[in-house]
Amino acid sequence: NAGVTQTPKFRVLKTGQSMTLLCAQDMNHEYMYWYRQDPGMGLRLIHYSVGEGTTAKGEVPDGYNVSRLKKQNFLLGLESAAPSQTSVYFCASSYSGGGATDTQYFGPGTRLTVL
Amino acid sequence: GNSVTQMEGPVTLSEEAFLTINCTYTATGYPSLFWYVQYPGEGLQLLLKATKADDKGSNKGFEATYRKETTSFHLEKGSVQVSDSAVYFCALRLNTGGFKTIFGAGTRLFVKA
Repeated sequence: NAGVTQTPKFRVLKTGQSMTLLCAQDMNHEYMYWYRQDPGMGLRLIHYSVGEGTTAKGEVPDGYNVSRLKKQNFLLGLESAAPSQTSVYFCASSYSGGGATDTQYFGPGTRLTVL
Repeated sequence: GNSVTQMEGPVTLSEEAFLTINCTYTATGYPSLFWYVQYPGEGLQLLLKATKADDKGSNKGFEATYRKETTSFHLEKGSVQVSDSAVYFCALRLNTGGFKTIFGAGTRLFVKA
């Protein structure tokens, strides 16, 4: 049982390049999330999905796109990377999103540097 | 708005010392409260949670009590170990409107042998 996995672990991009971060979960969770973690700011929600084929914007969605074509996968895309997108990106999943007691499970993170 | 405020780190303690990491929150309604821990190179893991006022969450020797009157959820451990060195995040999740979890900035703990 791998839980939540993320690919890649590290990446360096030049300004203007594009890339896709892959998140996969094997817990049959309906909800999946992408966060970014910046020093002194905790985690901020970028986009989330409440089920296969659905996506929605979170707190800081600008510059990112997402897709959830399969229930187990949630992709985060950067079409034209900017230095402000240098961050650590975490994917998470949960069984449901409607209950306050629902637990989120996190992946190990992707460290992205944009030069 | 809804927010979580944690004490700034890093916190440096010797092994077997007592730990307190302060957390206060602002929220509309009655949130559930969480502590997550992030070990070096890993993602966040749920450490403990409390879903209503006066509840105490506990796990691995850590405790936190949901104090509605002071809007606080301070994390405590009686005797820390080197293996407790990590970043600790306080978070809240609203009981209405579902999904969103709001995280504090995190507090880094170093425990020296």
